Amino acid sequence: QQQVKQSPQSLIVQKGGISIINCAYENTAFDYFPWYQQFPGKGPALLIAIRPDVSEKKEGRFTISFNKSAKQFSLHIMDSQPGDSATYFCAAYNQGGKLIFGQGTELSVKP
Amino acid sequence: DTAVSQTPKYLVTQMGNDKSIKCEQNLGHDTMYWYKQDSKKFLKIMFSYNNKELIINETVPNRFSPKSPDKAHLNLHINSLELGDSAVYFCASSQDTLQGGYGYTFGSGTRLTVV
Repeated sequence: QQQVKQSPQSLIVQKGGISIINCAYENTAFDYFPWYQQFPGKGPALLIAIRPDVSEKKEGRFTISFNKSAKQFSLHIMDSQPGDSATYFCAAYNQGGKLIFGQGTELSVKP
Repeated sequence: DTAVSQTPKYLVTQMGNDKSIKCEQNLGHDTMYWYKQDSKKFLKIMFSYNNKELIINETVPNRFSPKSPDKAHLNLHINSLELGDSAVYFCASSQDTLQGGYGYTFGSGTRLTVV
């Protein structure tokens, strides 16, 4: 299975709140899990990434939580800001050379 | 300096025409990709080249033909354009994918509209 499932499809959060986006995968051969942020009219940009040998990675306000046994990972955005409003994609990579993307989550942070 | 640059940014053309999209990266990466983003924003890989050699060719109509003259360039030529080809096409690059995968750097996309 090459699929990565992402939820929710859209998310509205108040400024200062926590945004949480979830992803699940099937293929245990995946060994690298990045998150990408995409603003309108721009290409996706790498935000943060994790490998399956760690359970959590934090960079500033962004944290990835990884549950290998459940084959799930999530992105937490603390103290969400209007400038975080964008589309977020989880992805998974295997050594076959393919980066497989989730369906995307449109995040809107209200002032 | 733009790391991954695509031209043109917008492309409007009639059905049946042939068009090309160009991509160049100045990051020294070994691998380049073409992704298609549909109207629902879903990103799907089309092709991947490693040092000018095709390594991934997804189920893409053979009207789409990638060409890599050198490892810094990957162009996409599309023959006999159809309405369903309308999408945003992204070029991307990464370090040697065969070493386990690193962050991809994407271009800003080419919005293709077929009328």
